[in-house]
Amino acid sequence: RKEVEQDPGPFNVPEGATVAFNCTYSNSASQSFFWYRQDCRKEPKLLMSVYSSGNEDGRFTAQLNRASQYISLLIRDSKLSDSATYLCVVIPSGSARQLTFGSGTQLTVLP
Amino acid sequence: DVKVTQSSRYLVKRTGEKVFLECVQDMDHENMFWYRQDPGLGLRLIYFSYDVKMKEKGDIPEGYSVSREKKERFSLILESASTNQTSMYLCASSVNYEQFFGPGTRLTVL
Repeated sequence: RKEVEQDPGPFNVPEGATVAFNCTYSNSASQSFFWYRQDCRKEPKLLMSVYSSGNEDGRFTAQLNRASQYISLLIRDSKLSDSATYLCVVIPSGSARQLTFGSGTQLTVLP
Repeated sequence: DVKVTQSSRYLVKRTGEKVFLECVQDMDHENMFWYRQDPGLGLRLIYFSYDVKMKEKGDIPEGYSVSREKKERFSLILESASTNQTSMYLCASSVNYEQFFGPGTRLTVL
């Protein structure tokens, strides 16, 4: 089983739609969680951290479910510019520096 | 503004050649990383370094080595390139948990 698993998609949604991605992780002792965004032919960039209490940044909401070992990303009112690959990232227990990346979920927002 | 640069965007080499990929960051970060990214496999960590002259193996170090002689520069070396090392190589540096990536080098080994 992979340490971090994501549905690769692709998710094709119309502008204005709400879309949600899930990501599961295998190490129950994982300590920190993030979502990165990677545009086509570009490098990944941090989108947002995921806190235990859930957190929101504009149209984006991230949630953590430790009991079921998954994190989620919700995008409301999708824009064309949201089209990208979204990478789930986990910091395993005992590691202060290493990140474990999921293989990414591809989102295309259609006009 | 944060900046990580990589020496080449595209590189074509032949099997058996020695290949050097250079990465430079201007943020005075202690931690630097080399990943490769392949379709369906995501980013996989090759090596990382948390200080000058220090290095640690990541998940897939076989066939690679690294060098960190200066804080701002982290080099990835393919001692004898093979076709299965054709990939996108991404360098990153970090402060705390946020990693800043370079634009990547797409390496093709023929």
